[in-house]
Amino acid sequence: DAKTTQPPSMDCAEGRAANLPCNHSTISGNEYVYWYRQIHSQGPQYIIHGLKNNETNEMASLIITEDRKSSTLILPHATLRDTAVYYCIVRGYTGTASKLTFGTGTRLQVTL
Amino acid sequence: GAGVSQTPSNKVTEKGKYVELRCDPISGHTALYWYRQSLGQGPEFLIYFQGTGAADDSGLPNDRFFAVRPEGSVSTLKIQRTERGDSAVYLCASSPDRNTYNEQFFGPGTRLTVL
Repeated sequence: DAKTTQPPSMDCAEGRAANLPCNHSTISGNEYVYWYRQIHSQGPQYIIHGLKNNETNEMASLIITEDRKSSTLILPHATLRDTAVYYCIVRGYTGTASKLTFGTGTRLQVTL
Repeated sequence: GAGVSQTPSNKVTEKGKYVELRCDPISGHTALYWYRQSLGQGPEFLIYFQGTGAADDSGLPNDRFFAVRPEGSVSTLKIQRTERGDSAVYLCASSPDRNTYNEQFFGPGTRLTVL
């Protein structure tokens, strides 16, 4: 699976959009981009995933560049409960379920 | 509905002892994963089960670590001759079926401390 690079930490004011970047310059054609987050003392939680088109769900939006070498997770109106470590993961398609390879993620601090 | 549960939530043991950590996946989920997470790091894959069989155990660090899932639901991670370096949070996750696109649902973890 391709390696990802994320900034170690970011701050965001409550109510503002949080834009979390991820670089995955070695991604290959059949690899998806996944985002998970981990709130303190909890297990990771799935947020969203995509291949090449932008995706949106009730939690967030995922913007993937046309060359697929980077992506941005957008939390449109961050709240204090969004304070967490956010992991960008690139995962190949193997036809069966498979492991997730986590990096160190981005620690997002949402402040008043 | 009920999520993934793990017991105990905390386990303190002495160096050299044997420990068992239990995971109850979401009912009906065929895939089950074990990860461990050291302080300040992301979770690290250990082993993955599809049904009763271990489909990928490439992450087990050495032969002191072993996991079973005899009936395709509950899984137990077993650690023999524990070492201080085994101290970590052990996370379990499950997912519904073979489709690799399915999200993994994580439990709250078991915090293992080896003194």
